Amino acid sequence: GESVGLHLPTLSVQEGDNSIINCAYSNSASDYFIWYKQESGKGPQFIIDIRSNMDKRQGQRVTVLLNKTVKHLSLQIAATQPGDSAVYFCAEMGNTGKLIFGQGTTLQVKP
Amino acid sequence: KAGVTQTPRYLIKTRGQQVTLSCSPISGHRSVSWYQQTPGQGLQFLFEYFSETQRNKGNFPGRFSGRQFSNSRSEMNVSTLELGDSALYLCASRQGSGNTIYFGEGSWLTVV
Repeated sequence: GESVGLHLPTLSVQEGDNSIINCAYSNSASDYFIWYKQESGKGPQFIIDIRSNMDKRQGQRVTVLLNKTVKHLSLQIAATQPGDSAVYFCAEMGNTGKLIFGQGTTLQVKP
Repeated sequence: KAGVTQTPRYLIKTRGQQVTLSCSPISGHRSVSWYQQTPGQGLQFLFEYFSETQRNKGNFPGRFSGRQFSNSRSEMNVSTLELGDSALYLCASRQGSGNTIYFGEGSWLTVV
């Protein structure tokens, strides 16, 4: 079946360091990928997305990399700040319109 | 521009009761989808509506239903509540196919 997985349930980084959160997906038909950030008690907040015809996309302090050959997605956060502490979800979408989410990685930023 | 708005934010129901949750999408967004989030199962797709028509449905029992109105607002209903229905129910909206999906803050449902 379809699934999206993250490699690590928890990632702890020092403030100011760069963070890399990884995700593996299994549905090769997926053509749209999104990263969401979810803080405690809140809904998922859109961070950045990428379509399958691209392999890299940059936003403000964030970069998403897509490797379709190995079905791997990563989120890089530059100069991680305490406010970046949250659970990060990757999600994929094919032509059905439904998002399939991974289990999430908790990012802890140490001051 | 206001984001996706969900009401109520918190509610407690008894087993066997039914519940209706409401969602107002971002202005101009015609697609509304619903997701259930639990610690054990994570985020799971319930259904999507576009122009008042259900376009896609997830693997949930028939007790879970929804609808969309002509102003794009949506409701979901869960009948004959079970303890396992306790979850955060999230509504999301987008303009149409191929657009970014934005989530609301969710409705926390506790079934006792």
